[in-house]
Amino acid sequence: EVQLVESGGDLVQPGGSLRLSCAASGFTFSSCSMAWVRQAPGKGLEWVSYISSGSDTIYYADSVKGRFTISRDNAKNSLYLQMNNLRDEDTALYYCARRPAYGDYVYFQHWGQGTLVTVSS
Amino acid sequence: DIQMTQSPSTLSASVGDRVTITCRASQSISTWLAWYQQKPGRAPKLLIYQASGLETGVPSRFSGSGSGTEFTLTISSLQPDDFATYYCQQYYSFPLTFGGGTTVEIK
Repeated sequence: EVQLVESGGDLVQPGGSLRLSCAASGFTFSSCSMAWVRQAPGKGLEWVSYISSGSDTIYYADSVKGRFTISRDNAKNSLYLQMNNLRDEDTALYYCARRPAYGDYVYFQHWGQGTLVTVSS
Repeated sequence: DIQMTQSPSTLSASVGDRVTITCRASQSISTWLAWYQQKPGRAPKLLIYQASGLETGVPSRFSGSGSGTEFTLTISSLQPDDFATYYCQQYYSFPLTFGGGTTVEIK
């Protein structure tokens, strides 16, 4: 069974930093591209970042470009999101998501339960 | 960036009703579209991929159609478990974008 478990969410002041983690199990992590998707309280879904299986292709939403860094450790079956210079508008539930194991399609077949990031002074 | 516009934003319906949600893309995305269902406090769940492909385990009362810029998600006979918020997502190009969501409420 595919499992994605996020951690690292916390209350942080504006301008602060946080590192989110996503522990993956139940599939061959090193073969799967991954992404982060967030959802502000009471709002819709917003894609944040994408990383290919070998980390050679990375994309960011304009709203986080230059502040967030996605990475992965295939030996540890883990995905990360380093978040710097956090802003109030980064407050959201952050989901780790996996695209299908085959094909070039970037929709999300599996989701974690999310980890909450709150940016407030 | 490709903008995804869903309508309506809220829909009131009764059990047994046929429900249709529309998603429009700001440019052609062929059939590179997915639909998700999200219930309060839960992660989104994939329903439909490639505009009309039914994800494994999803009831057959859900169906998707469309191509280019106009897409629909149809629930043929609304069940109590279907009251939720539905999102479309294009994966034609980065940045990936979602529609604003359609909440299906009990009438």
